[in-house]
Amino acid sequence: AAGVIQSPRHLIKEKRETATLKCYPIPRHDTVYWYQQGPGQDPQFLISFYEKMQSDKGSIPDRFSAQQFSDYHSELNMSSLELGDSALYFCASSAGRYSYEQYFGPGTRLTVT
Amino acid sequence: AQKVTQAQTEISVVEKEDVTLDCVYETRDTTYYLFWYKQPPSGELVFLIRRNSFDEQNEISGRYSWNFQKSTSSFNFTITASQVVDSAVYFCALSHMNRDDKIIFGKGTRLHILP
Repeated sequence: AAGVIQSPRHLIKEKRETATLKCYPIPRHDTVYWYQQGPGQDPQFLISFYEKMQSDKGSIPDRFSAQQFSDYHSELNMSSLELGDSALYFCASSAGRYSYEQYFGPGTRLTVT
Repeated sequence: AQKVTQAQTEISVVEKEDVTLDCVYETRDTTYYLFWYKQPPSGELVFLIRRNSFDEQNEISGRYSWNFQKSTSSFNFTITASQVVDSAVYFCALSHMNRDDKIIFGKGTRLHILP
């Protein structure tokens, strides 16, 4: 069965650079969620989109922005990267909002040097 | 307040022993879901189980079992006859029905199964 696809899987950037993470949800899923997991930490909710509109927002820095496109894929844009942005970024998708079934992607590991 | 507490940060047991991971949650809502996820060293989040607040029945799946008690706001996870492959970080998590998009995770318990 198709799963959530995240690209790239690994990314190395320098401080103050910009990064774009991509998420391709499971086919026919219309809701996408982004989570950030710092080293040794639990995943923290960043933001979600339902039918291409932002649906919920968590502790996402102002330097980050995200959107969901017409084909339901989503991109997380991160600017002015800081060392503290080094983390594993998970995307999850679900069919419908408030779904109890969020399917997680494999994650993108971002390292900021 | 919505919170998930996993008091055990790290546990080590010898292979074939049973081990229980504790999870206590806080929420003012009466309708919610509880989850357990496994995160092996490779980093992916592996879904293990979901329970809703209406169903307090315990569940068993192979060597895994879960004990949900609303009276104590606990959702504990037991691995019977542990194996080295069970070594991972385990997260307990909470989400609210029809209100929140997000899943709220506990801090996780790192489980070491020693051969």
